[in-house]
Amino acid sequence: GESVGLHLPTLSVQEGDNSIINCAYSNSASDYFIWYKQESGKGPQFIIDIRSNMDKRQGQRVTVLLNKTVKHLSLQIAATQPGDSAVYFCAENLNTGGFKTIFGAGTRLFVKA
Amino acid sequence: NAGVTQTPKFRILKIGQSMTLQCTQDMNHNYMYWYRQDPGMGLKLIYYSVGAGITDKGEVPNGYNVSRSTTEDFPLRLELAAPSQTSVYFCASSYSIRTSGIAYEQYFGPGTRLTVT
Repeated sequence: GESVGLHLPTLSVQEGDNSIINCAYSNSASDYFIWYKQESGKGPQFIIDIRSNMDKRQGQRVTVLLNKTVKHLSLQIAATQPGDSAVYFCAENLNTGGFKTIFGAGTRLFVKA
Repeated sequence: NAGVTQTPKFRILKIGQSMTLQCTQDMNHNYMYWYRQDPGMGLKLIYYSVGAGITDKGEVPNGYNVSRSTTEDFPLRLELAAPSQTSVYFCASSYSIRTSGIAYEQYFGPGTRLTVT
C-alpha cells in the first residue's frame, strides 16, 4: 500500500487505551472543522465534524473538542482498537464567500496489541 | 451509491507525456476537488469546482488543468508530465450551501498513484 505517514508525527498507544490526537488550526474565522481518517492505500474518510458554535461533539467512540480561544482541536478515541491505526487529519473550513478547506499535516496513530 | 470513483488506480508516465485522471461522483454534490499527496505529507489542493462550468485554482495548480462540464465529472489533465508530479492524486466531492454559509464534509475517492520517470 501507499507509504503515507513516513515523516508524520506519530502517536503510539496500547490497545484498549484512550487516544488523543491534537491539531492547531490557523484561522480564527474558520467556522467548521472536520476530522478524517486515512488508512494505508486509501483515501481520507470522514470521522466527525464540529461547527464553531459548539465546543464538544461526540460520536461512536470518538469525541471532538474545539477550543477557539487557542485555536486548538482534538480528537479523542475511546478504547482504541487495532483497526484505528491510520493517519488522522484535521481540516478547517473558512467561509470566505466561497469555502476554503485547509488540511493539517496529519498524525499517524499506531495501536499496539 | 458508488460515491467517488477514480481511474486509473496506477499509472507510469514518461517525462513529457500527457494524461487525464478521471473522477466521477454520483452523490449530486456541487463541490469537487483535486488533491495531491506526496509520501509522508498532507493534502495539497490543486483545483476545485463549485459547480458545473466553474473551476478555480488551489494551492498547487501549475502543470495541471481541469474542466467541469457536468455535475458528476471532474477530470484532471496533466500536460508535459514531470518527475515532480509523481504523487498520489485524490478526487473529492462535497455538498455546500454557499448562500447559507454551510459546508459539509468531503468524500474522497480511492486515489490514483502516478509515477513519472
